[in-house]
Amino acid sequence: DAGVTQTPRHEVAEKGQTIILKCEPVSGHNDLFWYRQTKIQGLELLSYFRSKSLMEDGGAFKDRFKAEMLNSSFSTLKIQPTEPKDSAVYLCASSQDISQNTLYFGAGTRLSVL
Amino acid sequence: GEQVEQLPSILRVQEGSSASINCTYENSASNYFPWYKQEPGENPKLIIDIRSNMERKQTQGLIVLLDKKAKRFSLHITDTQPGDSAMYFCAASETNTNKVVFGTGTRLQVLP
Repeated sequence: DAGVTQTPRHEVAEKGQTIILKCEPVSGHNDLFWYRQTKIQGLELLSYFRSKSLMEDGGAFKDRFKAEMLNSSFSTLKIQPTEPKDSAVYLCASSQDISQNTLYFGAGTRLSVL
Repeated sequence: GEQVEQLPSILRVQEGSSASINCTYENSASNYFPWYKQEPGENPKLIIDIRSNMERKQTQGLIVLLDKKAKRFSLHITDTQPGDSAMYFCAASETNTNKVVFGTGTRLQVLP
């Protein structure tokens, strides 16, 4: 079985640009999560989908971050407009269902905003 | 609140000794507490977890303890080896929502 696939692995953007990160969850998983990882804050939850429905929109991240899940096998995270403080690793993870809480993470996208 | 506090942020131990990482949580409804290990350049992977119906769980040199009254849980690595050097994240979630909130991580360095 394929794991969680994230593209691109690396992204370099200039301040003010729009970038879109992509994620394909493990086949059959119903829950999908987007996290941002930095050395200071650790893993911060950005968005959470259950069966394609948005359950968590990320609170403080709402204004420039928008995650979508148009079908059960694909999700995007759009950052618009990017700022230098957005530089981080963005991790996507999926989980099977309520009784199977194990998260399977993708390799992440390392974003650098100049 | 939903925050999970994790300490220490950096932990250095001698090879063969034990290492302990402590976490506290705020959400009384949390009932599932996983621990993830992230090696350099890799993604986090589940290494052990504990549910609220247990106070202790042990597997392959790892021990997790849960004190629901104090809203505290901890990971103990016995007989640390160089391969244990990594980032460790605790997390808390409710099985009803499946929302997983992570601690800020502990960088463990096992010194030879």
